[in-house]
Amino acid sequence: QVQLQESGPGLVKPSETLSLTCGVSGGSISSSYWSWIRQPPGKELEWIGNIYYTGSTDYNPSLKSRVTLSIDPSKNQFSLKLTSVTAADTAVYYCASCGSGYTYGRIHFWGQGVLVTVSS
Amino acid sequence: DIQMTQSPSILSASIGDAVNITCRASESISSWLAWYQQKPGKAPKLLMYKTSTLENGIPSRFSGGGSGPDFSLTISSLQPDDFATYYCQQYNSFPWTFGQGTRLDFK
Repeated sequence: QVQLQESGPGLVKPSETLSLTCGVSGGSISSSYWSWIRQPPGKELEWIGNIYYTGSTDYNPSLKSRVTLSIDPSKNQFSLKLTSVTAADTAVYYCASCGSGYTYGRIHFWGQGVLVTVSS
Repeated sequence: DIQMTQSPSILSASIGDAVNITCRASESISSWLAWYQQKPGKAPKLLMYKTSTLENGIPSRFSGGGSGPDFSLTISSLQPDDFATYYCQQYNSFPWTFGQGTRLDFK
């Protein structure tokens, strides 16, 4: 079974860049599309974007101007960068596997999540 | 963006009850709908996809149905482990969007 683990700073200053990495184990990174999803404290889930091992991406238009997803198949990991963060970007950030082909869209493996707080 | 509206927001029920959670899509999503269960401090867990396909390992007391714009998640006989928050998600078109959640509480 695929396992995912987010890593990165838990505290980011306003206007700086949030950077997270997701390590994939138990499966090949070329077997699926990969997602980043976030959840502000006490709120609903928000899809940030997807990336495929080829580097192909899809982003949420509400964040597109500030988000970059990248992938490193040689390390079986993918990453999120979110620039110019504000307090509104404080959330638990999840990386996840979202399938491929017929199952593309079902988010079936999730990391445990990492709380990122934006504060000076 | 496609808005997903869940009802009710909070549902109180007892062990053994049958419960139904509804999700309404603001536009057509065909059958590209998934349901997730989330417990406090944990990542969501996939229950159902393509409206009514049960994810591997999920008990058969969970079932999904419906067609646009209304979809449903039914739990036929509540077990203690089922008290959690449930989210629907459409993946018919980008951006993928989630409902606001339904919290299932013990009555």
